[in-house]
Amino acid sequence: NAGVTQTPKFQVLKTGQSMTLQCAQDMNHEYMSWYRQDPGMGLRLIHYSVGAGITDQGEVPNGYNVSRSTTEDFPLRLLSAAPSQTSVYFCASSYETGGYYEQYFGPGTRLTVT
Amino acid sequence: QQQVKQSPQSLIVQKGGISIINCAYENTAFDYFPWYQQFPGKGPALLIAIRPDVSEKKEGRFTISFNKSAKQFSLHIMDSQPGDSATYFCAAWKNTDKLIFGTGTRLQVFP
Repeated sequence: NAGVTQTPKFQVLKTGQSMTLQCAQDMNHEYMSWYRQDPGMGLRLIHYSVGAGITDQGEVPNGYNVSRSTTEDFPLRLLSAAPSQTSVYFCASSYETGGYYEQYFGPGTRLTVT
Repeated sequence: QQQVKQSPQSLIVQKGGISIINCAYENTAFDYFPWYQQFPGKGPALLIAIRPDVSEKKEGRFTISFNKSAKQFSLHIMDSQPGDSATYFCAAWKNTDKLIFGTGTRLQVFP
């Protein structure tokens, strides 16, 4: 199993450009989510999905779109990049078993918006 | 507002000492409380977790203490080692689909 994979690893965008961060998992997990990590802020939830065709907003959804057409993939779209979106982005997938939850994170995408 | 408050922001401990990180939450809908460990350049990895019906959970040198009435929980690292130097995040699950993180504690263990 590859686990949770993210591409690209690094990206530089200019203000106003759009792009899609890719996330895929091969563990057949129903739940997937996107976080951004900024110094002193911890990880903040952007969007999440409880299954194919279902998405919902997290703590900081503005400026981002997601879709979940398959169980495996959960891409994050930046519609019009802004310097405030400079961050490290983590995708995660998770499952529940017997009332316990396990969440696995990808290696991250470091995004710089100039 | 920060739903899960974590302190301290940074912690320096000598090898062999005890590292203690504290977290507090407000939302009683949280029903599972994990701790994550993150090394530079890597994603967070699950370290240990606890349910609110248990007051303490121990795995090796790592222990979670949970106080449901105070809505607080803490991570204790016994016999801290330089290899434990990392950033630690407490977190809280809500309804199996939303994991909310604290702001993180950078732990440095010196020989």
